[in-house]
Amino acid sequence: EPEVTQTPSHQVTQMGQEVILRCVPISNHLYFYWYRQILGQKVEFLVSFYNNEISEKSEIFDDQFSVERPDGSNFTLKIRSTKLEDSAMYFCASSDGPTYGYTFGSGTRLTVV
Amino acid sequence: AQKVTQAQTEISVVEKEDVTLDCVYETRDTTYYLFWYKQPPSGELVFLIRRNSFDEQNEISGRYSWNFQKSTSSFNFTITASQVVDSAVYFCALSGPVDTGRRALTFGSGTRLQVQP
Repeated sequence: EPEVTQTPSHQVTQMGQEVILRCVPISNHLYFYWYRQILGQKVEFLVSFYNNEISEKSEIFDDQFSVERPDGSNFTLKIRSTKLEDSAMYFCASSDGPTYGYTFGSGTRLTVV
Repeated sequence: AQKVTQAQTEISVVEKEDVTLDCVYETRDTTYYLFWYKQPPSGELVFLIRRNSFDEQNEISGRYSWNFQKSTSSFNFTITASQVVDSAVYFCALSGPVDTGRRALTFGSGTRLQVQP
């Protein structure tokens, strides 16, 4: 069964540093998403991406964040000047068009120290 | 605005008991989608079901069943004859109409299910 692949599975970074989280969505999917889950809390939507542009974003997704699809397979989330409160599990997801299948990756646990 | 409420923070049952996880949602959309995901201790989100707002038929998949009631804005999930492997956090989620571009999922706060042997 097709999977959404996320790398790395765990990243530790110093406060103030920039991190890039990487995702390979399912190849025939058209919509891509990032979500985050602070430990013990609910999953929160960050941003969705379609046709090479952001289609929807939440209040959380401010200027500190950016997304990119640098080639035909990768989808990245960049977090600039990381803060302690950015520590969370970040999930990538992708969905197809008509049938609206929605598949999550296994997540990247980001720890800011 | 959309909202999903899972009032049960944690449920503990003994193996073989039936358990129902409640989900109540709010939306102004007439077309929407409802989801259930399982998050085991390993942390990934495992898709369980997707249901659109026009399909009010209840669904059964093995030991799992879902009761969608539009009149009460509820989409409850029942596990029959629970097993220890069912121990996880279960999330209910809601999204808007596909054709509006509002595909973001709004998640509930989750219900932690512990099944004791």
